[in-house]
This record gives sequence, C-alpha cells and structure tokens, in this order.
Amino acid sequence: GNSVTQMEGPVTLSEEAFLTINCTYTATGYPSLFWYVQYPGEGLQLLLKATKADDKGSNKGFEATYRKETTSFHLEKGSVQVSDSAVYFCALRKPGSNYKLTFGKGTLLTVNP
Amino acid sequence: DTGVSQDPRHKITKRGQNVTFRCDPISEHNRLYWYRQTLGQGPEFLTYFQNEAQLEKSRLLSDRFSAERPKGSFSTLEIQRTEQGDSAMYLCASSLEGIGSGANQPQHFGDGTRLSIL
Repeated sequence: GNSVTQMEGPVTLSEEAFLTINCTYTATGYPSLFWYVQYPGEGLQLLLKATKADDKGSNKGFEATYRKETTSFHLEKGSVQVSDSAVYFCALRKPGSNYKLTFGKGTLLTVNP
Repeated sequence: DTGVSQDPRHKITKRGQNVTFRCDPISEHNRLYWYRQTLGQGPEFLTYFQNEAQLEKSRLLSDRFSAERPKGSFSTLEIQRTEQGDSAMYLCASSLEGIGSGANQPQHFGDGTRLSIL
C-alpha cells in the first residue's frame, strides 16, 4: 500500500540555520506529494506541493523537489526563523485518486533565537 | 474565503456517551473529508463526501461512527457509545474538484475538534 516515512524528530535548530526534513514514500505510479505545517492548537496548512517528477514546490522560503528515482520529497529551508517552529507533515495522494491523503507521522521543529 | 470551520474546538465526555461534531467547509467546495489524528501521529483518513454522497469509508470508521452531509453543505460526524480509544483530534478538510477547477486541488483543513474521553 501507500506509505510515507519522515525523519524522526524532534529537530532543534538555532535561528538562521539550514533545515532539512527527510521524506520518502512508497506508492505505485506517480503520486502527488505535499508538505503540510501544523502550528500549536491549529489545523494543517498546505505549505507546498508537487504533482510530477522533478517538480519543485516552494513557499515562504521552503522548497521540496519530487525525486522519482529516490522516491523522496525532502523539505529544505536556507535560514529558519523562530516563527517556523511547528510540526511538519509529508503526505501523498495516490495516483489516479483525487481524494485521500496519506500522511507521515510528522516532524516537530523547534527554532531557538 | 472564510476557511473550514469546525465546532466545537474541544469536547470532553464520559465513556459511553454519544458525541457529534460539525464541519462547515469552504462554501464552494464540493468535497469534504474527515480525518483522525492521535497524539504524535499524522492524520488518518476516515471518510469523504462528494457533494452529499459519502463515497468512501475507511476501516477505521467502525459501526459506532456515522457521518452525514445533508444537502452537500455542512457535515456532521457522530460517535456513539464513545470509548477511551476514540480520544483524538478530528479534522475536517474540503476541496474543490471538477471540470474547470484543475487537477490535484489541495485540501484545506479546519482547526479540528479535540475529543477527550474520561
């Protein structure tokens, strides 16, 4: 079946540090890939997405590239801020389907000033 | 666009009681989804509606769970005879899918209803 594996957290960084959160997936065909962010006490917000191989999603300084050859969609940011502290979820939507999202377990990021 | 609204934000109840949650999607969105999120886990799909039709239910949705979306607008999720294991955050999401809206439209999530069973 379809599944998403994220790097274990928590991740603690200092402000302006470089961020990478690894995400790999298992799926047949070409799923759509997403990163969602969840701030404390809130629901999930879409951060970025990619729908086909080699697509790069980007938003608010975050980037992720859809790598079919390594089945990966790693999230990166060059310089994190305290306000980026949140839980980050990688997710996929299976090929041929346009509804159900399958999520990873989430990675808690804490950025210290 | 007022976003997806869920009510209540928190619900505390005793084991064995029935609870009902409400979700108001973004007004023009024709698809509505329910997910469940337990502590330290990502959301898990429960069910989804295309307009008023419930098109898929996860195995996670036992017979004690029922969801409706009358008239294709708001949706309710009812849990009967609640159990300790039902304690979780219940998330609702909506999206607009169809001709003209483009493929792969993202799902927009509400802030969730946190259920605690005593």
